[in-house]
Amino acid sequence: DQQVKQNSPSLSVQEGRISILNCDYTNSMFDYFLWYKKYPAEGPTFLISISSIKDKNEDGRFTVFLNKSAKHLSLHIVPSQPGDSAVYFCAASEASGTYKYIFGTGTRLKVLA
Amino acid sequence: KAGVTQTPRYLIKTRGQQVTLSCSPISGHRSVSWYQQTPGQGLQFLFEYFSETQRNKGNFPGRFSGRQFSNSRSEMNVSTLELGDSALYLCASSQDRPRTDTQYFGPGTRLTVL
Repeated sequence: DQQVKQNSPSLSVQEGRISILNCDYTNSMFDYFLWYKKYPAEGPTFLISISSIKDKNEDGRFTVFLNKSAKHLSLHIVPSQPGDSAVYFCAASEASGTYKYIFGTGTRLKVLA
Repeated sequence: KAGVTQTPRYLIKTRGQQVTLSCSPISGHRSVSWYQQTPGQGLQFLFEYFSETQRNKGNFPGRFSGRQFSNSRSEMNVSTLELGDSALYLCASSQDRPRTDTQYFGPGTRLTVL
């Protein structure tokens, strides 16, 4: 049972435009969410996080939005740059205190110059 | 500060063999988590160790095991390898509680089972 879903395996966007990556979850106990970026032959690197007490968190060109009622979060990248081309994973963890993240299957973003 | 290192980077084994992968966390980090990445499955949590104790475990068979040493270095072992164990194995370290502390990932060990 995939508790965290990224339904778009890939996304192509023109340089300078907005990239929107989506993530849905099913477990209502999740209360902390993160996005990671992964380049080939490297481990994932942390990008941005959001707690369930917020509905938006910004860090430079990256903004994460959380819609708890819809169990949906999205990552917006504005403006998109060719260096943003990577695989993006969303992850979630529960409020129960278990020390693990549940990751989605990833979305491959390609930013076209 | 050096990042998370994993050895070896690449490994080829045959079915039925066993394998041990190593992870050295960032200095000062006491939590080490292991993940398996396969196409279409994303990153799946294997287990997490903190101060030499397994603190949490994912839904993997008992063939997958791990341990952590007093210097926080961690190893994972897979016994009786199966073709389906071919994957990228990633470890991640964090200072204490990975739920909110940022996890830093190593580059991974690519395991191929023939």
